[in-house]
Amino acid sequence: NAGVMQNPRHLVRRRGQEARLRCSPMKGHSHVYWYRQLPEEGLKFMVYLQKENIIDESGMPKERFSAEFPKEGPSILRIQQVVRGDSAAYFCASSPTTEQYFGPGTRLTVT
Amino acid sequence: QKEVEQDPGPLSVPEGAIVSLNCTYSNSAFQYFMWYRQYSRKGPELLMYTYSSGNKEDGRFTAQVDKSSKYISLFIRDSQPSDSATYLCAMSPFSGGYNKLIFGAGTRLAVHP
Repeated sequence: NAGVMQNPRHLVRRRGQEARLRCSPMKGHSHVYWYRQLPEEGLKFMVYLQKENIIDESGMPKERFSAEFPKEGPSILRIQQVVRGDSAAYFCASSPTTEQYFGPGTRLTVT
Repeated sequence: QKEVEQDPGPLSVPEGAIVSLNCTYSNSAFQYFMWYRQYSRKGPELLMYTYSSGNKEDGRFTAQVDKSSKYISLFIRDSQPSDSATYLCAMSPFSGGYNKLIFGAGTRLAVHP
């Protein structure tokens, strides 16, 4: 059983470009969470999704960030018009019910 | 005050030592408690997962939850150099049927041969 897959593992974007981060949950898991880890800080919750539904996006910045988990395909975290402060590691986690299993993360660098 | 406090370390111990990692929290609604291990530039790996108060053991790892004191611990017996990593505590009230995890800042552990 493959674990949580994330791609790309590393992403470099210039200021103002768009970043699209993908997450494929573990087989059989219908819950997806996204977290952000800033340098020297802990992980911070961003958004929780189920298939085709955003359940809780209370941790998402109001501007430029969006997430989706379509019926088919991976969950996508999209950051428009990236700024240097968006540079971080973005992790998704999938869950069958309560415990969460994390992917390897996407490290976003904004130049 | 942060909802979850965790000593960042670093904690340096000799191989074979018993390691104690701790977190305190302020939200009495937290019900689910998890410990993750994170190697440098990798994703967090779930080590232990407990619900409410009590102890749980898995191999060399023991997790303890004391809800009355709002204090959780992870013990590692017979520590190995491969245990060198950052250990993250995480917890959640499981409100609304899902776990919005609140993480501690992580404790860096170094086990030297």
